[in-house]
Amino acid sequence: DADVTQTPRNRITKTGKRIMLECSQTKGHDRMYWYRQDPGLGLRLIYYSFDVKDINKGEISDGYSVSRQAQAKFSLSLESAIPNQTALYFCATAKGGPDNEQFFGPGTRLTVL
Amino acid sequence: DQQVKQNSPSLSVQEGRISILNCDYTNSMFDYFLWYKKYPAEGPTFLISISSIKDKNEDGRFTVFLNKSAKHLSLHIVPSQPGDSAVYFCAASSIIQGAQKLVFGQGTRLTINP
Repeated sequence: DADVTQTPRNRITKTGKRIMLECSQTKGHDRMYWYRQDPGLGLRLIYYSFDVKDINKGEISDGYSVSRQAQAKFSLSLESAIPNQTALYFCATAKGGPDNEQFFGPGTRLTVL
Repeated sequence: DQQVKQNSPSLSVQEGRISILNCDYTNSMFDYFLWYKKYPAEGPTFLISISSIKDKNEDGRFTVFLNKSAKHLSLHIVPSQPGDSAVYFCAASSIIQGAQKLVFGQGTRLTINP
């Protein structure tokens, strides 16, 4: 079984719709992250959470919100989706070691028409 | 501004030869560097890391070299195998705005030709 799971794996939606991407983990890690990947730009941090009561903005948080429902669950919402939010979205977890190794889910491919 | 850069979007190498992937960075406060490998339709997976106090770390066919004065690191894969064909991301770890974060490069697509 996968340690970090994401649902849905693929989603096509229309401009203006509200979308929620979900992430669950069985690794027991406190730290969870949401990234987006765009061609030629690598992975960019949207939001991160170091425990259930801790939510922090990353470098590209505008247009997104998150919810940390439990240690194992971290959801990303697009309140009103726009076409430039079309991207590959990854959830990741970490236990906080010196090298900050992160463990990634399989990704959600989101298309906003 | 891009703090971690991978200037080669793609690299093609013959099976059995050495693959060298490069990464440059600008922030001297990075304390660890990591390489991730990504196959299509999968998330990135950790490959190897190196502390900023070292200049080399080796794990089987994979070796990472760090040149702090040049702010440059490289990943060597030898011998290259067809299963090594993937996108490779360089990442750097640091405390940014009070929190430990990773900053990723743009990625290099490695293709190993039989």
